[in-house]
Amino acid sequence: GAGVSQSPSNKVTEKGKDVELRCDPISGHTALYWYRQRLGQGLEFLIYFQGNSAPDKSGLPSDRFSAERTGESVSTLTIQRTQQEDSAVYLCASSLGSGGSYGYTFGSGTRLTVV
Amino acid sequence: KQEVTQIPAALSVPEGENLVLNCSFTDSAIYNLQWFRQDPGKGLTSLLLIQSSQREQTSGRLNASLDKSSGRSTLYIAASQPGDSATYLCAVNGDYKLSFGAGTTVTVRA
Repeated sequence: GAGVSQSPSNKVTEKGKDVELRCDPISGHTALYWYRQRLGQGLEFLIYFQGNSAPDKSGLPSDRFSAERTGESVSTLTIQRTQQEDSAVYLCASSLGSGGSYGYTFGSGTRLTVV
Repeated sequence: KQEVTQIPAALSVPEGENLVLNCSFTDSAIYNLQWFRQDPGKGLTSLLLIQSSQREQTSGRLNASLDKSSGRSTLYIAASQPGDSATYLCAVNGDYKLSFGAGTTVTVRA
């Protein structure tokens, strides 16, 4: 596609429920990233994919968070047993090649609210 | 760990004034630096990408400089317009991972 697409754009869920967030990167972009932005705060790195492998998962906050990627395409971020502190905007970015030499393109994000 | 600082945190100027946004980073071993714009409730829009070997990049009214050795970048926006009102984020790329500053929120008054 022309840009990075994320769905849903907004998600309200009850505490304790599981949620899945989807990211569709730019076609041909081998690298894919997930970031989290809490209200009024900066962006936190969560996980990096190169192809369908994840060389760096160091930013995932807890074992309730997991992510997978199918080939060099769609990625899903899953949060199990959501907590109120998970409320944030989850941003996905993709990049042509590894290392970000060509810069990063971000999607519009998924705003997650846990009530 | 890379630390990125943006000064000022907020800026309010009358229309037509030039804007100067500062970004500093602690680890000079970077691949590139990217400036983004974020509108309220929206994602990030890339403005300029400067490779580590470059000193500056220009796009229209925007100019970004990079002094890698001193760990600094500056974004200049000439002749500001109300439509420039947004939060501007500096992101430093070190080994595939972007480290972000907290941003500078700009308000341009008509």
